[in-house]
Order: sequence, then structure tokens, then C-alpha cells
Amino acid sequence: DIVVTQSPDSLAVSLGERATINCKSSQSVLHSSNNKNYLAWYQQKPGQPPKLLIYWASTRHSGVPDRFSGSGSGTDFTLTISSLQAEDVAVYYCQQYYNTLRTFGQGTKVEIK
Amino acid sequence: QVQLVQSGAEVKKPGSSVKVSCMASGGTFSSIPISWVRQAPGQGLEWMGGINPIFNTPNYAQKFQGRVTITADESTSTAYMELSSLRSEDTAVYYCARTNGAYCGGDCYYYYYMDVWGRGTTVTVSS
Repeated sequence: DIVVTQSPDSLAVSLGERATINCKSSQSVLHSSNNKNYLAWYQQKPGQPPKLLIYWASTRHSGVPDRFSGSGSGTDFTLTISSLQAEDVAVYYCQQYYNTLRTFGQGTKVEIK
Repeated sequence: QVQLVQSGAEVKKPGSSVKVSCMASGGTFSSIPISWVRQAPGQGLEWMGGINPIFNTPNYAQKFQGRVTITADESTSTAYMELSSLRSEDTAVYYCARTNGAYCGGDCYYYYYMDVWGRGTTVTVSS
């Protein structure tokens, strides 16, 4: 199974500042057949289901604000919120879908400083 | 657009079974592969398995093999997840989610990321 580890577990960022979340997989999720990274990012607010933000490591899902961006390749990935807004307070998860057992990171809680 | 409506909360005794439903609307059911993901209180997300209604062939995470049954009924546009031999650790919110993926030959479907989610069904296992 691929273990996905996020860092930090939580972070507090001032409004308008940049938030950066890291995600590391125990093996590469870059598929050589299509040169795609099999990794997605989700946002979950309290009492709500997760919401897809990013797939293929860097493709923004429809309707997601462009302050959210994904980067990285192989085993190391980053979700960046370029200018934190109050409505971005949430827990963020990365998920790999390279392996038949889809696994998620443990989550990173983002709060306002 | 596609919406997924889940059944209501359940309270079950240890050792019993629970069956959660997920009704799809706003799209052709056979083109809505469904994953089931659970989240224990205060914990992260765990993929349990999925089904592509076009084949009706489920795919299970090994951890749940033998204890989970995922089915789909095209006549009612509803997917089901049944979990048996319940224990307290199964207390969680269970989500269904439309899953993008790719066909890999025959009735094989490779599940990728989840872009439409139900609101979740709380299952509490307690004596």
C-alpha cells in the first residue's frame, strides 16, 4: 500500500498570506505510460463532505478559485493557497489513486492567525 | 448536475449489519461510478471500495474484503454499501462519491478521484 503523509498537521496563516501544505507518498505516483501524477487534493469544512480541489496533481477542478494551486511530481507534492481567505479555513487532504488501494493523507488543518 | 442523496443515520448493535443507500440524480446512472469512503470521528478519510454501474462489478479495499458488499440498482439509480459484523471501530460517517476513472479492459474500471459527494450517513455502533 502507498502511505501518504502530509505536513504540517496544522498551520495558522494571516488573511491574505500564503498557505503551503505538503504531501509525500511512500512511492512514486507518477505513471510512466502517460506522465501523469495520480494525486488529488480535497478541502473539507466542518460538518461537510470533502470537496475536490485539484486532480492530476495540478489540474484545478471546475469552479475552484485560482488562488488554489497544486504542484510537484513523483513522491513530493504541494498545495498552495496564494492568498488565504476566511472561507478557506478547513482540513485539506491529499489522495493518491496510483495504487488500487486509494489512500489519503491524514489531513492538514488550516486556520486564521 | 449529478447529485447524490444518502439514507439517514443508523444506530446498530455490534455484530449486526448496516446497509447505506446513495441515490443519484441529474445524470445517467450507468455513467456514475461510485466509491464509498468512510470517516471515523475526528479522523481522516478511508476508501472502502467502489462500483461501476455499467458493469455492476464491485471493487473492494482488501481491509474490508469479506465484510463489505457494494451493489447498484439501475432501476432506482441507487448504490448500496452493506457492512457486516459491525464493531465499535466502524462508527463513522459513510460517504458515497462519484469517481472519475478509466476503463482498463473487459469489466475493469480504475477508480481515480472523487468529484461529487453525498452528504454522508452517520453509522453508530453501540451496545
